[in-house]
Amino acid sequence: KAGVTQTPRYLIKTRGQQVTLSCSPISGHRSVSWYQQTPGQGLQFLFEYFSETQRNKGNFPGRFSGRQFSNSRSEMNVSTLELGDSALYLCASSSNRGVGGYTFGSGTRLTVV
Amino acid sequence: GIQVEQSPPDLILQEGANSTLRCNFSDSVNNLQWFHQNPWGQLINLFYIPSGTKQNGRLSATTVATERYSLLYISSSQTTDSGVYFCAGYSANAGGTSYGKLTFGQGTILTVHP
Repeated sequence: KAGVTQTPRYLIKTRGQQVTLSCSPISGHRSVSWYQQTPGQGLQFLFEYFSETQRNKGNFPGRFSGRQFSNSRSEMNVSTLELGDSALYLCASSSNRGVGGYTFGSGTRLTVV
Repeated sequence: GIQVEQSPPDLILQEGANSTLRCNFSDSVNNLQWFHQNPWGQLINLFYIPSGTKQNGRLSATTVATERYSLLYISSSQTTDSGVYFCAGYSANAGGTSYGKLTFGQGTILTVHP
């Protein structure tokens, strides 16, 4: 079956702009989580959605937001981009409670200039 | 939240050597997984191993949940095994507040020379 699909793979944005990243989970998976990976902070949890509801949120400013659609696809948005937002953004999908584990997409590498 | 400690941080091997990577958790965890991050950034799921032992080819993993640690064994290493290995899980005691919130270790950077 198809894996987790993230688009776009690479993105270059200017400071102050906003960006939207997309994640399509494995068919049948209703939980989608987002993570930010940077060399200094490692992998950090952003938020998790299940059945269009945000169930959990990490310690990120309000500029980071997300949503999930009825088909379980998810988007995350970062507004007013800062240089420090340059990172690899990964999403993962799983069943309701993660039984069986989480499967990650290939990621979106965002560069803010 | 839980703390995840991985060791060693770096590991350099010759092709054919065996290695053991360790992951310690500060609290009981659910959904413990081992990942390999490839050069393009994708996290490849190696094992979903909340407890017990599993094997997949040259790789095997053991989790001792009662002692809050997990081990990843790589035998007869190959250059293609190079990369960063992560373990991750979420707190078993946080109930619904932990869903989807995997906490990752800092990773072990493995380099295998031919």
